[in-house]
Amino acid sequence: GAGVSQSPSNKVTEKGKDVELRCDPISGHTALYWYRQSLGQGLEFLIYFQGNSAPDKSGLPSDRFSAERTGGSVSTLTIQRTQQEDSAVYLCASSWTGYGYTFGSGTRLTVV
Amino acid sequence: AQSVTQPDIHITVSEGASLELRCNYSYGATPYLFWYVQSPGQGLQLLLKYFSGDTLVQGIKGFEAEFKRSQSSFNLRKPSVHWSDAAEYFCAVVMYNNNDMRFGAGTRLTVKP
Repeated sequence: GAGVSQSPSNKVTEKGKDVELRCDPISGHTALYWYRQSLGQGLEFLIYFQGNSAPDKSGLPSDRFSAERTGGSVSTLTIQRTQQEDSAVYLCASSWTGYGYTFGSGTRLTVV
Repeated sequence: AQSVTQPDIHITVSEGASLELRCNYSYGATPYLFWYVQSPGQGLQLLLKYFSGDTLVQGIKGFEAEFKRSQSSFNLRKPSVHWSDAAEYFCAVVMYNNNDMRFGAGTRLTVKP
């Protein structure tokens, strides 16, 4: 597609429920990143995929967070047993070269 | 530890005034450097990037940034700010052959009429 697409744009969920956030990167981009942006905070690195290599999961805040990337394209970020502190905007970015990423508009997650 | 620092959390400037947003990094070698802008409710848009060569880089929307190796800085500048420049600005770095982009905490710019 023309840009990085994220869905849903907004998600409200009850505490304890699982959620899935989707990222559809620009076609051909081999690098894909997930970041989290909490209210009034900067961007927190979560996870990075590069081609078929094992993902860099060093930024995932807990084992409730996981992500996969199917076929080197679409990625899904899953948060299990959501907590109120998980409320944030989750941003996905993709890149061909690994430098100078294109960001999606994000998914605003609210845990109530 | 490797880090990206944006010392100013919030800056207010008058429309038409000049702007400089600071960014410092702490890495063992010169990283690749970026500035992104995020308007309210929007995603991040790349303003400019520095890989190598001329240390003064031009970006979109009239922005420029200067890489100073001796100061480990990559400050963003604009000669005359417009009201539409009000946004959050993020400095980011990535090490060569690392592909791990890290962001500063951001600087929120308010533009006074």
